[in-house]
Amino acid sequence: GAVVSQHPSRVICKSGTSVKIECRSLDFQATTMFWYRQFPKQSLMLMATSNEGSKATYEQGVEKDKFLINHASLTLSTLTVTSAHPEDSSFYICSASPTPPGEQYFGPGTRLTVT
Amino acid sequence: QKEVEQNSGPLSVPEGAIASLNCTYSDRGSQSFFWYRQYSGKSPELIMSIYSNGDKEDGRFTAQLNKASQYVSLLIRDSQPSDSATYLCAVMMDSSYKLIFGSGTRLLVRP
Repeated sequence: GAVVSQHPSRVICKSGTSVKIECRSLDFQATTMFWYRQFPKQSLMLMATSNEGSKATYEQGVEKDKFLINHASLTLSTLTVTSAHPEDSSFYICSASPTPPGEQYFGPGTRLTVT
Repeated sequence: QKEVEQNSGPLSVPEGAIASLNCTYSDRGSQSFFWYRQYSGKSPELIMSIYSNGDKEDGRFTAQLNKASQYVSLLIRDSQPSDSATYLCAVMMDSSYKLIFGSGTRLLVRP
């Protein structure tokens, strides 16, 4: 299967600061990547679709000014959580497909804790 | 509202038994279906994909799709304790490539 990486795997930040999470497709190019959030004991919730060279598409209820997405190349998408608050603490996971609309592969996830 | 439904479980089976996991979806136009396994604290791992009616086998795993009944299932033969995890059903419902996930079924395989 295709390999997707994320960095960092775990981050702790203070309330009010911003955090950037990177998602990379290591062995394929991805014009589209997806960002999910998962709270404990809940399923994955799609936050946004990241499109290379264009603006991201956000799901209903997701604040685009708070969760900034940049897909600057065919192998890298970044998610920046701006002015983070404790309620943003969650498991953030990205996914991508080498052959859309086929199988999507997930990165290992980033666990964000806001204190 | 496009939905994917799964029984949350836990589904408990003895080691060596067949585990049967089920999923229903609301959008009759859906074309692509996936099963992911997620261990606690980890990200989902793709197990199977299925696109046409019938069965698809890969090792100990068999995915079954019935589009008329809007039903997809996953069978795990010779279940092992290491199969204990949450199994997520995902459906790609339109041309946006977005996946809609069920809430997952927790599987426990008893040694």
